[in-house]
Amino acid sequence: QKEVEQDPGPLSVPEGAIVSLNCTYSNSAFQYFMWYRQYSRKGPELLMYTYSSGNKEDGRFTAQVDKSSKYISLFIRDSQPSDSATYLCAMKENAGNMLTFGGGTRLMVKP
Amino acid sequence: DAGVTQSPTHLIKTRGQQVTLRCSPKSGHDTVSWYQQALGQGPQFIFQYYEEEERQRGNFPDRFSGHQFPNYSSELNVNALLLGDSALYLCASSRQGEDRGYTFGSGTRLTVV
Repeated sequence: QKEVEQDPGPLSVPEGAIVSLNCTYSNSAFQYFMWYRQYSRKGPELLMYTYSSGNKEDGRFTAQVDKSSKYISLFIRDSQPSDSATYLCAMKENAGNMLTFGGGTRLMVKP
Repeated sequence: DAGVTQSPTHLIKTRGQQVTLRCSPKSGHDTVSWYQQALGQGPQFIFQYYEEEERQRGNFPDRFSGHQFPNYSSELNVNALLLGDSALYLCASSRQGEDRGYTFGSGTRLTVV
C-alpha cells in the first residue's frame, strides 16, 4: 500500500462545474499538506499550502484537511478549460524535508 | 524574478553512461531538492541539499549523487544508467526556515536507450 493514495482519473467535467479532488494517507506524522498543478511537460506548480487540519480558501480553490480521517481535498469552483491538468497532492512531516506525493489525478474540463 | 531553472531540458543517454543535470534555485532560496517522476506517477524524493551538504536522502541507490555549490545551485549525477532511470527529473527550491512549500523547475526529461 502506498503512503499517499490518489485516484488517477481521468476526471472529465463540463466548464463551470465544481471539481472535488481527494487524497488519503497512512502516515499520521504528516503535518503539512500541499496541492500542486502540473501541466503536460511542465514542473508542478504550488496551488495550496496548509498546516495541520482545517480549511483554506484562495480564489476559486479551497483546500480541506481532515487529519482524523487522514483525508485531504481540493475543491475547484467554476472550473475552466485552463484548469485541465494533473493535480498532485503532497505531504510533509513536521521535522522532515521530503515531500511525499500522490500519483496525481488527471482533470479535463470541457468547454 | 527568475524561478527555478534546470538544464538541459531533454537528454538521451545510452545504458551504462553517466549523466549530470543542473539546477539554479529561485532567487532568495538556499535549499535544493531533487525528485524523479516516472511517466504517469507522482514525483519521488531523491535527496535534499542545504549549506552544500546532503541533508536527507530518499530510497535511491548510490548511483545517484549530488552536489550543491556556494551560490546554492546544484547538480544531480547518475552513474551506470539503467533503462528504468528514464524519467522527468525535477529540481525544487525553498528557503530554510520558511514553510511555504517548494518551487519546482520544469524538469529535465532523461531518456535512457
